[in-house]
Amino acid sequence: NAGVTQTPKFRILKIGQSMTLQCAQDMNHNYMYWYRQDPGMGLKLIYYSVGAGITDKGEVPNGYNVSRSTTEDFPLRLELAAPSQTSVYFCASKVAGGSEQFFGPGTRLTVL
Amino acid sequence: AQTVTQSQPEMSVQEAETVTLSCTYDTSESDYYLFWYKQPPSRQMILVIRQEAYKQQNATENRFSVNFQKAAKSFSLKISDSQLGDAAMYFCAYRGLTGGGADGLTFGKGTHLIIQP
Repeated sequence: NAGVTQTPKFRILKIGQSMTLQCAQDMNHNYMYWYRQDPGMGLKLIYYSVGAGITDKGEVPNGYNVSRSTTEDFPLRLELAAPSQTSVYFCASKVAGGSEQFFGPGTRLTVL
Repeated sequence: AQTVTQSQPEMSVQEAETVTLSCTYDTSESDYYLFWYKQPPSRQMILVIRQEAYKQQNATENRFSVNFQKAAKSFSLKISDSQLGDAAMYFCAYRGLTGGGADGLTFGKGTHLIIQP
């Protein structure tokens, strides 16, 4: 099992550009999550999904969109990138009924 | 909304000694999970230990143990026989159960643990 994978590892965007951060898991987990980690801070929840076709907002959803068309994939879309979105983005997944979330390696995004 | 507070931005300990990292949280829920995650420079999030609130017994995992005080809403992590590989950021995290188990984690700001050789 590859676990939770994220691409790209690093990305630099210009203000106003858009991009999609990819997340995939091969553990057949129903629940998936996106977090962001700003420098010197803990992770904050952006969006989450309990299954294909079902998504919901977390604590900091503004400026982001998500979709979940398959169990495996949970992409995060940034529209009109802003410097405030400079952060490290983590994807995580969890089996329904389980307690542990499994994290991907993260994507470091810089918006200049 | 739940909050998690880690009051120690940085802690330093001699190799082979014991160190305790503090965490307090605020919640109105009676059942929930608490976690300690380790984040080394590679930035990978690694689960160290978890505690179910309904369990009175403190969780232990080898050299790692917790002191869970539910009434005080306190959840500290004790690392015994500290090793150089323990150097990392440590995050305390909370997960409630109001979302049917789908709730995301609420994290503290972290404690940077330094191990002195």
